[in-house]
Amino acid sequence: AQSVAQPEDQVNVAEGNPLTVKCTYSVSGNPYLFWYVQYPNRGLQFLLKYITGDNLVKGSYGFEAEFNKSQTSFHLKKPSALVSDSALYFCAVRDYRGKLIFGQGTELSVKP
Amino acid sequence: DTEVTQTPKHLVMGMTNKKSLKCEQHMGHRAMYWYKQKAKKPPELMFVYSYEKLSINESVPSRFSPECPNSSLLNLHLHALQPEDSALYLCASSHRQGDSDEQYFGPGTRLTVT
Repeated sequence: AQSVAQPEDQVNVAEGNPLTVKCTYSVSGNPYLFWYVQYPNRGLQFLLKYITGDNLVKGSYGFEAEFNKSQTSFHLKKPSALVSDSALYFCAVRDYRGKLIFGQGTELSVKP
Repeated sequence: DTEVTQTPKHLVMGMTNKKSLKCEQHMGHRAMYWYKQKAKKPPELMFVYSYEKLSINESVPSRFSPECPNSSLLNLHLHALQPEDSALYLCASSHRQGDSDEQYFGPGTRLTVT
C-alpha cells in the first residue's frame, strides 16, 4: 500500500533562515509525489510535484523539493523563509486510481 | 483560470435538515473530487467522479449523496447529518483521474451540524 510520513508535527524557523519540511514515502513502483500548502481557513494550494526526471523539483513561491530514491524521501526546502510561509504543509503520493494519500501534515512557523 | 469555486463558504444545519454544497470549475477537467477535512488533519477522500460518472466511493455513509450534473459542476447533497460530520468540505478537480496532473482545490465549505 502507498503511504507517506511527515515525521515532524511542527517546524520552527527564524525568518531569513533556510527551511526544510520532511517527507518519506513507501510505494510500489515509481512514485508520483506532491506538496501542498494550506493557509488558515483556506483550501489546499499546489506547490510542486515529482513525476520523473530531475531529482530537484522547483515549485511555487521559491519552494523546491529533492527526490531521493535511496532514502525514499521528498523533503520540501526553501533557502530563505518568510513569515508569510507560516502554514500547514502536506506531502502526498498518488495511487493508481488517482487518489491522493496525504501525510499527517507539518505546521511551519516562521518567526521574525 | 485555475480556480475551483465552492458555495456556500459557511453552512450551519440541524440534524434533520437537507442542504447541498456546490462546486464548479471551468478548466475542462474531467475528474472531480470531494474531501472531508477536520481541523489540522489531512483531507480524507470521499468521492471521485470521472467523466461525470462516480468512480470512487470511499465507503461514505448514505447521508452524503454526490451528484455530477455536468463536467463543470459537482454537488454534495446532505441529509440527516450528525454533529461529527462538522468539518471543512473541499472540492478538487484534475485533468483526468489517474494521470500525473495535480489536483486543484477550492476554498472549501465550513459545515457545522447542530
